[in-house]
Amino acid sequence: ETGVTQTPRHLVMGMTNKKSLKCEQHLGHNAMYWYKQSAKKPLELMFVYSLEERVENNSVPSRFSPECPNSSHLFLHLHTLQPEDSALYLCASSQDIPGGLNEQFFGPGTRLTVL
Amino acid sequence: GQNIDQPTEMTATEGAIVQINCTYQTSGFNGLFWYQQHAGEAPTFLSYNVLDGLEEKGRFSSFLSRSKGYSYLLLKELQMKDSASYLCAVKDSNYQLIWGAGTKLIIKP
Repeated sequence: ETGVTQTPRHLVMGMTNKKSLKCEQHLGHNAMYWYKQSAKKPLELMFVYSLEERVENNSVPSRFSPECPNSSHLFLHLHTLQPEDSALYLCASSQDIPGGLNEQFFGPGTRLTVL
Repeated sequence: GQNIDQPTEMTATEGAIVQINCTYQTSGFNGLFWYQQHAGEAPTFLSYNVLDGLEEKGRFSSFLSRSKGYSYLLLKELQMKDSASYLCAVKDSNYQLIWGAGTKLIIKP
């Protein structure tokens, strides 16, 4: 595997379900991100992990819970979601160096549908 | 508040040139990125500008004017595979990326 991988690619869940999205980066980066992408809206940054420490976005509902067990893996745990949470969830990673380009590399995303 | 503006959709002809504009109002500036995203795929990095001027990379060029809060992405010799969304993003004073909603570029034969 190369780059950033995400599983599953598609997920349909009911509002009472609990599921998890997985992201793995094979680039040796030190930062990982979760984004939400809705149609015709800007990418919304949900969570950032830098050097395995979480930088929390306070506007994200508690029904989304991230987990970063090590620098290569990132999870997004989902529970009691709402239909408006249906979107493409993108994971990204970067090598954060002070003053550097710090380009983000994205995974292909998980298309989530909440019924 | 922080804001990135870019046109929602543009149409151009194969072989032609197209310019996609991006204006921004952010708390601080530490660089501007352009990404390309084909439908159903991951965004991929195209260019980065931190100083004023033009950065050229093959058929793609990106321009920045920090005093005007303005950038554009110039695509030359358009090909059908250039049909995609183009995302503008600015790194703010906290080094977080602020994203535009993207410009969907449609290329016609």
